[in-house]
Amino acid sequence: RKEVEQDPGPFNVPEGATVAFNCTYSNSASQSFFWYRQDCRKEPKLLMSVYSSGNEDGRFTAQLNRASQYISLLIRDSKLSDSATYLCVVNANFGNEKLTFGTGTRLTIIP
Amino acid sequence: EAGVTQFPSHSVIEKGQTVTLRCDPISGHDNLYWYRRVMGKEIKFLLHFVKESKQDESGMPNNRFLAERTGGTYSTLKVQPAELEDSGVYFCASSRGGIGSYNSPLHFGNGTRLTVT
Repeated sequence: RKEVEQDPGPFNVPEGATVAFNCTYSNSASQSFFWYRQDCRKEPKLLMSVYSSGNEDGRFTAQLNRASQYISLLIRDSKLSDSATYLCVVNANFGNEKLTFGTGTRLTIIP
Repeated sequence: EAGVTQFPSHSVIEKGQTVTLRCDPISGHDNLYWYRRVMGKEIKFLLHFVKESKQDESGMPNNRFLAERTGGTYSTLKVQPAELEDSGVYFCASSRGGIGSYNSPLHFGNGTRLTVT
């Protein structure tokens, strides 16, 4: 079983729609959680950290469910510029600097 | 602020040859990481430097890979001799503080695309 599992997609969503991605992680000791965004042939860029209480940044909302060991990302009012691969990323524990990546979910926003 | 820069952007070498990848982190970032993505797989951790010291090299695939960060500034990753399975995209990242530090995100470089034929 992979340490971080994501639905690879692709998700093809009309502009303006709401889309949600889920991700599960296997290490219950994991402490830090992130969503990264990666455009085609570009580097990953931090989209947002995910906090236990859930957090929102504009049109993006992230949730963490420690009991079920899953993380979600919700994108509202999707824009064409949201088309990218979204990477779920987990850090095992404090003092361990290794990030574990999921394979990513590809999202395409259709005009 | 200049970002993380990597050189070369692409490298095509034959099996058995040597390749050296270079990473220049953001100025002032003590933490430097190497990651790689082989085709169809997830991005995987290779190693982590704090300044010039290797903190964790648990992700290095084998002893054909050697990373250095002399002087705690730029870093090199040498593959010698290269094998076909080493093909992939090698990313470098840097951060001011560690992952758990507040407001200290990882900044990735654009990667070096390595093809071993």
